[in-house]
Amino acid sequence: KNEVEQSPQNLTAQEGEFITINCSYSVGISALHWLQQHPGGGIVSLFMLSSGKKKHGRLIATINIQEKHSSLHITASHPRDSAVYICAVSGSGNKLVFGAGTILRVKS
Amino acid sequence: EAGVTQSPTHLIKTRGQQATLRCSPISGHTSVYWYQQALGLGLQFLLWYDEGEERNRGNFPPRFSGRQFPNYSSELNVNALELEDSALYLCASSLDRGQETQYFGPGTRLLVL
Repeated sequence: KNEVEQSPQNLTAQEGEFITINCSYSVGISALHWLQQHPGGGIVSLFMLSSGKKKHGRLIATINIQEKHSSLHITASHPRDSAVYICAVSGSGNKLVFGAGTILRVKS
Repeated sequence: EAGVTQSPTHLIKTRGQQATLRCSPISGHTSVYWYQQALGLGLQFLLWYDEGEERNRGNFPPRFSGRQFPNYSSELNVNALELEDSALYLCASSLDRGQETQYFGPGTRLLVL
């Protein structure tokens, strides 16, 4: 079993829909990261959180430490949100362990 | 403020050769991380450098090595290249060795023929 599991693997949504991507992990962590990777390969760090909830624009990330689970929500989705969303956890030694990613496609 | 830069953007080598990849962190960042993203596989942690020292290493053979220079830029060297080393190599930097957000560079695409 992978240390970081993401679901779904693939997600297609209509423009305007509310989107949720889930991440579960099995190890102790100091922080959880949500990353966005566009087709060209560039990665942008969206959130780093160790408790509670963070919001940036239409993006919301939550984490439940007791349940070892995090969710990334996108409100009012737009075709430009189409990308791969990656969950990663960091523990000791600043090593990031990555989930396999969720491929999101938002259709107009 | 300039972001993390990597060079070259693309690199083609043949099996058995050596490859050198370079990374310049964001100004003021002292930690540099290297990751490998092989085709069809997820991101994997390679190396972490901070203040010129290797602080942590992923599950990669010793032919993957690197260093960090006094100006905090970093080099990743891959010796005795194998076909499966073909991948996107990403560098990231963060403010210090604490749990800080990592900022990623555009990557170097290495193709081993």
